[in-house]
Amino acid sequence: AQSVTQLDSHVSVSEGTPVLLRCNYSSSYSPSLFWYVQHPNKGLQLLLKYTSAATLVKGINGFEAEFKKSETSFHLTKPSAHMSDAAEYFCVVSEQSNFGNEKLTFGTGTRLTIIP
Amino acid sequence: DGGITQSPKYLFRKEGQNVTLSCEQNLNHDAMYWYRQDPGQGLRLIYYSQIVNDFQKGDIAEGYSVSREKKESFPLTVTSAQKNPTAFYLCASSIQKGYEQYFGPGTRLTVT
Repeated sequence: AQSVTQLDSHVSVSEGTPVLLRCNYSSSYSPSLFWYVQHPNKGLQLLLKYTSAATLVKGINGFEAEFKKSETSFHLTKPSAHMSDAAEYFCVVSEQSNFGNEKLTFGTGTRLTIIP
Repeated sequence: DGGITQSPKYLFRKEGQNVTLSCEQNLNHDAMYWYRQDPGQGLRLIYYSQIVNDFQKGDIAEGYSVSREKKESFPLTVTSAQKNPTAFYLCASSIQKGYEQYFGPGTRLTVT
């Protein structure tokens, strides 16, 4: 069975400083991994995805994530936080089993606050 | 503009009434999904559909029903059997099951 753990429910950083949102996963098969962002009362927007190509994935708005199989991690980073980055972020794992079943599992989210 | 629309944005109902949430997409996606989001929790899958006239239960299907008569439409009915219907409901679609999903803006349902 697959699972996703977002290690921090809330992260606060100052504007202009780096952002790190942590995500660990477990999966029986080769997973696909995603990061989504959700602004208040809005739907989710895809930031980036990993699908077994390059382990360092670049996304929109300057975000990137690195897939580390040995650490079962897929942490999201950004070099310099902007006020508009304040939102909820979800790490998502999708695995395709040998039986053709596929399921998305969402983490519980990390709320990012940017301090002016 | 391609995308997913959900209507209405806010919906209020009295307990014991059924209510239907709309979801329409013009992305020509085969797969569509309904999720429920509660405060402090991730999204939980209610139902999904891989093709027209086919749908499958997700993790929390009890008290909900869906139909998929057209490729672009996947309405969700919250029935009176759903014990805690107040939540934020998100619809999503993907080219096929297993690919990244694109989300609508959501409908916030309040039942009193």
